[in-house]
Amino acid sequence: EIVLTQSPGPLSLSPGERVTVSCRASQSLRDNNLAWYQQKPGQAPRLLIYGASSRATGIPDRFSGSGSGTDFTLTISSLEPEDFAVYFCQQYSFSPLTFGRGTKVEIK
Amino acid sequence: QVQLVQSGADMKKPGASVNVSCTASGYVFTTYYIHWVRQAPGQGFQWMGIINPGGGSTSYGQSFQDRITLTRDTSTSTVHMELRNLRSDDTAVYYCVRSFGDYPFNWFDPWGQGTLVTVSS
Repeated sequence: EIVLTQSPGPLSLSPGERVTVSCRASQSLRDNNLAWYQQKPGQAPRLLIYGASSRATGIPDRFSGSGSGTDFTLTISSLEPEDFAVYFCQQYSFSPLTFGRGTKVEIK
Repeated sequence: QVQLVQSGADMKKPGASVNVSCTASGYVFTTYYIHWVRQAPGQGFQWMGIINPGGGSTSYGQSFQDRITLTRDTSTSTVHMELRNLRSDDTAVYYCVRSFGDYPFNWFDPWGQGTLVTVSS
């Protein structure tokens, strides 16, 4: 199965700062089939990015995704207070579908 | 709007079975695949299986192959997940999710609200 390794570990940041989260796949993902989600405590995850770089409906343009093959990145250009959450990636190129362990972005 | 609503939290003893339901609304139930994933405390997400609500065909993750059954009821737009022979490490939040588009393996949108299943003696 495909292993997704996220980095860095937990981040303590201030509003307005830029965030970059990495997701590395153990094999190249066909058609860049990678999604990013946001999860807040006690809530279901919300889709942010699909196809590595396409923003989901209603997602602010401060969220962007990039990458291809095995290396993918989620960027938040300027953190808003509501962005403090856990972010995780998911690959849907191969069964079983797999997920990264998540990166927590917390307020400094 | 498109919505998946799951049944409420449940507590079971080891060896028992649990049934979690997922009722869809806001779209044609039979045209989108439904997956189940779970998140144990402090862990990442684990894919459990998929059902085609149209024809009822299923596929399960290897870790759950002999303990899980997914079924659907088209009259109520509901998918049911049964997990048998529960162990303490099955304690987790279980989510149903819709696969985007008419392809079985795609990104997930939306997610159900999650159902906490606690397994404890």
